[in-house]
Amino acid sequence: AQTVTQSQPEMSVQEAETVTLSCTYDTSESDYYLFWYKQPPSRQMILVIRQEAYKQQNATENRFSVNFQKAAKSFSLKISDSQLGDAAMYFCAYRIRTSGTYKYIFGTGTRLKVLA
Amino acid sequence: DGGITQSPKYLFRKEGQNVTLSCEQNLNHDAMYWYRQDPGQGLRLIYYSQIVNDFQKGDIAEGYSVSREKKESFPLTVTSAQKNPTAFYLCASSLRDRGFSPLHFGNGTRLTVT
Repeated sequence: AQTVTQSQPEMSVQEAETVTLSCTYDTSESDYYLFWYKQPPSRQMILVIRQEAYKQQNATENRFSVNFQKAAKSFSLKISDSQLGDAAMYFCAYRIRTSGTYKYIFGTGTRLKVLA
Repeated sequence: DGGITQSPKYLFRKEGQNVTLSCEQNLNHDAMYWYRQDPGQGLRLIYYSQIVNDFQKGDIAEGYSVSREKKESFPLTVTSAQKNPTAFYLCASSLRDRGFSPLHFGNGTRLTVT
């Protein structure tokens, strides 16, 4: 089965602190790509960070970084120095190639609250 | 600027009526996707298309239909057979043959059926 699991429906973090959102996935494919998206109250989906599964080095984008554990099929997102604007729904996703087509599978999301 | 346009932003229909949601992109992307978003269920794939005149069913295709007559356009029809059509619908696109290509999303259409 192709699934993405985000086990934390909701998380809270104090402004300027660090928070980690968890994500695990299940795929039998060897070639895939992983993504984190942010959905603020406007409901616009915004790409936060992406990771190629064949790369061991964890991706980093400014205050956002990932901890990619391929063997464990884990892809957590760390947000450092949290800001009020980080409050949003966060979705983990992966892209796989299946039967010659590409699909993106999403998790159920984690709602992040940032406390002033 | 390039992007994806979904229209309308809000749509209201009576039960039993078919309704078509528009999605247009000028990013020159080959692949296009439709997702449904419900509270607590994340994004679920309805249909997707990699090239013109070809499309595949996603995980929840029942009660929906699509067409892909032009590269830029991928309209979604919610038929009367869809049992629970009220939801937020997102259209997205990506480059087909570049694995690192993320999805680019439209702003969504909120459909309410009463």
